[in-house]
Amino acid sequence: GENVEQHPSTLSVQEGDSAVIKCTYSDSASNYFPWYKQELGKRPQLIIDIRSNVGEKKDQRIAVTLNKTAKHFSLHITETQPEDSAVYFCASASGNTPLVFGKGTRLSVIA
Amino acid sequence: SQTIHQWPATLVQPVGSPLSLECTVEGTSNPNLYWYRQAAGRGLQLLFYSVGIGQISSEVPQNLSASRPQDRQFILSSKKLLLSDSGFYLCAGGVSGNTIYFGEGSWLTVV
Repeated sequence: GENVEQHPSTLSVQEGDSAVIKCTYSDSASNYFPWYKQELGKRPQLIIDIRSNVGEKKDQRIAVTLNKTAKHFSLHITETQPEDSAVYFCASASGNTPLVFGKGTRLSVIA
Repeated sequence: SQTIHQWPATLVQPVGSPLSLECTVEGTSNPNLYWYRQAAGRGLQLLFYSVGIGQISSEVPQNLSASRPQDRQFILSSKKLLLSDSGFYLCAGGVSGNTIYFGEGSWLTVV
């Protein structure tokens, strides 16, 4: 089955700097790649997603890139703010199969 | 838009007692439904998923079970809780294209 590896497990950045989180997947049939943000004690919330027919998608300060050949995708957060501090999860799926999640990255934005 | 309701929000149960967590979906029909568990500071573990009434797929062997008595209702149960069942339980649902949304979650502490 699908396996998703996520790096790094923790990341600290200064406010205003950029943050990058990377994920790799194993199933070449995977075609859907969402990112979720989970604040402490709350549910994960979808922040951005990408499908295999595009290489990059951007929403304000957040962008996701996908490299299908290398089977990896990344989340980019620019001009980080303290409220960006949270745990971020990547995931992948193909067809109607359940999402397989990475183990998460704890992002800390230091003011 | 789709809304996931989940209850109870928190519960403390003694070892060996039964469990019932309920999840309902509003705003859509025939959703795919999921139960995830998250141990403290850990990732999202898929427990069960369902693509329709009475159809349950189990991802992890354990003393938990799931049922889907109605199209938009998903129940997680146990006859006898173990200490290791403690965690944050999340119901999620989605209708197409793999995108899923999470309920508010249920904090279970087994004592």
